[in-house]
Amino acid sequence: ETGVTQSPTHLIKTRGQQVTLRCSSQSGHNTVSWYQQALGQGPQFIFQYYREEENGRGNFPPRFSGLQFPNYSSELNVNALELDDSALYLCASSVDAGWTGELFFGEGSRLTVL
Amino acid sequence: DQQVKQNSPSLSVQEGRISILNCDYTNSMFDYFLWYKKYPAEGPTFLISISSIKDKNEDGRFTVFLNKSAKHLSLHIVPSQPGDSAVYFCAASARGFGNEKLTFGTGTRLTIIP
Repeated sequence: ETGVTQSPTHLIKTRGQQVTLRCSSQSGHNTVSWYQQALGQGPQFIFQYYREEENGRGNFPPRFSGLQFPNYSSELNVNALELDDSALYLCASSVDAGWTGELFFGEGSRLTVL
Repeated sequence: DQQVKQNSPSLSVQEGRISILNCDYTNSMFDYFLWYKKYPAEGPTFLISISSIKDKNEDGRFTVFLNKSAKHLSLHIVPSQPGDSAVYFCAASARGFGNEKLTFGTGTRLTIIP
């Protein structure tokens, strides 16, 4: 039990639609990161938020965006969905942005784009 | 460009024996390495880590070895137990260079045979 919860656990969208995935971080964790895990691959870093500001971004287009709220919750938004966006999306929280090590992952949201 | 590689997609080991999982990396800026374990329908959970200033870190049945010159690390589990059956991800970060993201390998599925 990591204390990180994600919703929804599964969802199906069609190409061109928009999706919002939600995450509730562990209390006291100021940093949230989002990762995309495609089938047969390891998780890939999308971006990180620290105290409601984006604090690092991976190699993902601008149609991937995020928000972090003061109550330790956050969102990942993906616009103009493409078939290749089908993946498991993982939210991970940590104590602060300057620390890289143990991330606490949620169970993930599995997105299927048809 | 796969900067962290786990070349064995799967590994089967008899219960009680030693499990050795391998990981190679290409980015010389990586200075912190971690192993995560993932069960089906759960997010990855942190197992053990090692800083580049060390060559070994031990935690109970788990030991991680780092060979910087070869850009190689390995995870030893001894003795292996049925509950160790999971997918293991190697991850790396360039913490000393201000890069907070984790770069993951593609994972190794470990099966412990009773």
